[in-house]
Amino acid sequence: ETGVTQSPTHLIKTRGQQVTLRCSSQSGHNTVSWYQQALGQGPQFIFQYYREEENGRGNFPPRFSGLQFPNYSSELNVNALELDDSALYLCASSSFRGTGIYNEQFFGPGTRLTVL
Amino acid sequence: KNEVEQSPQNLTAQEGEFITINCSYSVGISALHWLQQHPGGGIVSLFMLSSGKKKHGRLIATINIQEKHSSLHITASHPRDSAVYICAVRSSQGAQKLVFGQGTRLTINP
Repeated sequence: ETGVTQSPTHLIKTRGQQVTLRCSSQSGHNTVSWYQQALGQGPQFIFQYYREEENGRGNFPPRFSGLQFPNYSSELNVNALELDDSALYLCASSSFRGTGIYNEQFFGPGTRLTVL
Repeated sequence: KNEVEQSPQNLTAQEGEFITINCSYSVGISALHWLQQHPGGGIVSLFMLSSGKKKHGRLIATINIQEKHSSLHITASHPRDSAVYICAVRSSQGAQKLVFGQGTRLTINP
């Protein structure tokens, strides 16, 4: 059983550019959540995908968007990068079985994005 | 005021000491998670609780639903326990997200 993987591990971009981060879910998991963790802070929820559709969103602008693929892997896209987007981006996968039933989330190692 | 508050924010102790980290939350929850984050970023899930107490090795997690409070205890602490410990809750209102505390930075000196 493989764990949650993310790529790339580190990334440097400049203001105004676009970035795509990738996440492969743990085997058997159908739900992916993305989090942003600024330095010294706890993670903040960006959004969650379940069966290829967005299934909840935090307080992030529309320039943060995502995709989930049939194999349950996922992408986080950020357009028009700003300096404040510099953070560790974490994805977590879980198996969602229906309303009110939640299973543990397993986190990937994260992608550290630096915006110059 | 944050929905999830942890205390202390920083904790330094000597090897072998008994460690307690506290988490208070202000919303109804369906589950509470304790997570461990080492330098470099990777997060490991330690416990998921909805009631009572769980134990895994030297780690013990308890939750009091009525008081909206949880504690993480580490017995016989070791330098390898040094990490940031994060409490996160999942709302009982059907929200899909986890809401995180700000973390407790634990340093165990030999």
